[in-house]
Amino acid sequence: GAVVSQHPSRVICKSGTSVKIECRSLDFQATTMFWYRQFPKQSLMLMATSNEGSKATYEQGVEKDKFLINHASLTLSTLTVTSAHPEDSSFYICSARAGQGGLYNEQFFGPGTRLTVL
Amino acid sequence: SQQGEEDPQALSIQEGENATMNCSYKTSINNLQWYRQNSGRGLVHLILIRSNEREKHSGRLRVTLDTSKKSSSLLITASRAADTASYFCATESGGSNYKLTFGKGTLLTVNP
Repeated sequence: GAVVSQHPSRVICKSGTSVKIECRSLDFQATTMFWYRQFPKQSLMLMATSNEGSKATYEQGVEKDKFLINHASLTLSTLTVTSAHPEDSSFYICSARAGQGGLYNEQFFGPGTRLTVL
Repeated sequence: SQQGEEDPQALSIQEGENATMNCSYKTSINNLQWYRQNSGRGLVHLILIRSNEREKHSGRLRVTLDTSKKSSSLLITASRAADTASYFCATESGGSNYKLTFGKGTLLTVNP
């Protein structure tokens, strides 16, 4: 299957700082990328959907000014958690949906980024 | 909002036994997928069943789908300790507004 990477895998930051998480599709082009958040012992909650070159669509209750998403290319999307607070501590998982070829419309998940805000 | 609801929330069995997890959903779907997640790790795609399919097999996995009841089940046969993980169902819906929505998951513990 195709590979989606995330960087960093783990980040600890102080309250009030901003953190950027990168999501890359390594061997395919992703027209759509998704960002999920998962709290301990809970399921994945979709935060936003981003299409390359356009603004992200945020799910209800997700602050777009706090969680900035940029999908600048067909292989890279970034999530920036601005002015992070302890309640933003979570496991963030990105996913990429293939736009063409043999993997068309399949969705692949990254390994996740553990964010801890002190 | 959560689409899928799995039950049980937690399941503990002995190695060699079969494990059955169920998932219910509310709206119409294109397909339903099952994923596995080891603690603190990413998701592993297990199997996808389309809305016009009723049953699918992959190795020790068997998935059923009943669209009239809006439910699915995942059966793991001859379980192993390495099967210990959380299992999530996810429903795919929408056309241009495609979305994959996850259920709450079942934590499976297989005791050696």
